[in-house]
Parts: sequence; C-alpha cells; structure tokens
Amino acid sequence: DAGITQSPRHKVTETGTPVTLRCHQTENHRYMYWYRQDPGHGLRLIHYSYGVKDTDKGEVSDGYSVSRSKTEDFLLTLESATSSQTSVYFCAISQGQGLGEAFFGQGTRLTVV
Amino acid sequence: AQKVTQAQTEISVVEKEDVTLDCVYETRDTTYYLFWYKQPPSGELVFLIRRNSFDEQNEISGRYSWNFQKSTSSFNFTITASQVVDSAVYFCALSESRGAGNNRKLIWGLGTSLAVNP
Repeated sequence: DAGITQSPRHKVTETGTPVTLRCHQTENHRYMYWYRQDPGHGLRLIHYSYGVKDTDKGEVSDGYSVSRSKTEDFLLTLESATSSQTSVYFCAISQGQGLGEAFFGQGTRLTVV
Repeated sequence: AQKVTQAQTEISVVEKEDVTLDCVYETRDTTYYLFWYKQPPSGELVFLIRRNSFDEQNEISGRYSWNFQKSTSSFNFTITASQVVDSAVYFCALSESRGAGNNRKLIWGLGTSLAVNP
C-alpha cells in the first residue's frame, strides 16, 4: 500500500470551531492535494501544494487554509467549521503535475453539527 | 472550458456480463491526460489508468480495457466478464493546464456507480 495516511479518520465537531486534518506521506512525492467528496458533486479540489511552503487554491477553497512545512505533511484547516463543510475529505499525492493523483488517503469523514 | 461527462449515473449487471462505462471529455488543450479511478464500497480511491492525448492505442489489463478515441472525445472503460468485486463507483478524469507553467489539475466526472449482482 502507498504510504499515505490521513488523521483523524472520523470527526464530529461543532459549528464555529476550528478543525485541522492531517495528511502524512512516506513516498516523498512533491505534490499533495486536498479534496472533498459530496453526493452529486463528485470530487472537488480544495487546495494543493507543489512543494514545501508552496500552496495554491482549488475550486472550493473558501473557509479552508492549508500549510506544508515539511514534504511529508499537508495540513487542512477549517478556520470556523460550518455545516456545509460536512463531507468526506481525501488527501492525495502525485509525483508530477498533470500525471494524476496516484495515491489517495483513506478519507476523513467530518461532521459539523 | 474543460469538462468530463459520465452520462451513466448507475449501471446494474449480472455477474459475467461485459459492461462499458462511458466517459466524454471537452478540452481545448492539445496535450492532456485522461484517467480512470475506482472507489469500492470501502471508500478508498484507486488509480486504474492514465492515458496521454498522443497515445490512442487501446489498453488492456486483464479483464479491464480502455478505448480512447480523440475523434469522439471519449475514453470508455470496459470490464469483461464482470465480477461482484467490480462493484464500485468509477470516476473518469482529465488533466488540464491552466495559466503559466505546468499548473495542471484534474477535472473529475461525477462517477458511474456499477453494481454487479451474483
């Protein structure tokens, strides 16, 4: 199995609280991504990183921030969680741009109540 | 604008039937990649194949085959002699370039849910 893990796997949080999801990889891949998956919307890119401290927004970045201080870790923070952010979040990694997300984490199911 | 359409939302077949999942894409890029991913009921996403726009040869991997046709902007996926373990949601995706440099990201279809019944 690819060395990519997400934590936590499940989380329930209250509206208005900050939440941080962690993605850790042992593949030394340059590119890391955060997606959310919702019924009827498929997979939508939140943010991605193309190197340490290099990040960019995806299509649904509002209300989210990311940080990448080390190659292996990519953190996604919900600054003030809302019910619309209830979703399944996936981290992914790839070696090169345009080559596709080769490996995905197991997903984090986040519920905001 | 780049777009990926998987017109079949759900497909149900009986084991051992052949099944084809359709994927139609739109892009203005001359260089692009197409992908298929599988998401079984357990939830993880599994990369199946990547095909670049300059290679129109069909690909076969065991019971899986892919038919790429630029003339119709399609990248269809066929499972031969389907099995219950093939039950999953299958996603087609397209990599696009946007802006300067190689800022490629994936454009995803909404997926086709395949149920293979015994």
